[in-house]
Amino acid sequence: SQQGEEDPQALSIQEGENATMNCSYKTSINNLQWYRQNSGRGLVHLILIRSNEREKHSGRLRVTLDTSKKSSSLLITASRAADTASYFCATAETGANNLFFGTGTRLTVIP
Amino acid sequence: DGGITQSPKYLFRKEGQNVTLSCEQNLNHDAMYWYRQDPGQGLRLIYYSQIVNDFQKGDIAEGYSVSREKKESFPLTVTSAQKNPTAFYLCASSTGLGTDTQYFGPGTRLTVL
Repeated sequence: SQQGEEDPQALSIQEGENATMNCSYKTSINNLQWYRQNSGRGLVHLILIRSNEREKHSGRLRVTLDTSKKSSSLLITASRAADTASYFCATAETGANNLFFGTGTRLTVIP
Repeated sequence: DGGITQSPKYLFRKEGQNVTLSCEQNLNHDAMYWYRQDPGQGLRLIYYSQIVNDFQKGDIAEGYSVSREKKESFPLTVTSAQKNPTAFYLCASSTGLGTDTQYFGPGTRLTVL
């Protein structure tokens, strides 16, 4: 399976700052999704961007997708302590029946 | 309340025992999945089912078994053949295609004593 690779593995910022996480993948995709996981909990879907889309917004979240570079970024603006969590990208590869999850970025927002 | 539930939240097993993890959903989703997550790691797919009475192996199916007798239920059995079963297990469901948005349960933490 081809997992996405998130970068950085860990990120620590002050409350109010913006947080940017990146995801790179290796194959052609139908869509790319971002999920959030609080410690010891299940994953929560944040946003889905299709292969023919370049940017998508949802509240304080902004996702970009560059299929030529096989990469995506998740931007969280005006971060809050409650944003502290792990963030995973998941790729829906062309022809696949499943999502492939990356290893995640652990975000810590310091109050 | 619509959602996906897993039980128990914590499970302890002695070596050599089989244990079954429960996953139930009332979202009317056709597809269901089991993932394993190790500390600091991503999710690895164990088994998935796109329709009742049918399921497929994922990347790490060895030592695990599943059944899908009802649309709402997808139990996972961790057998004694699984050499390193201590992990966090997550169940998910989606409307149809596995590439759709997946909805996750709260997870079961299994510890082998």
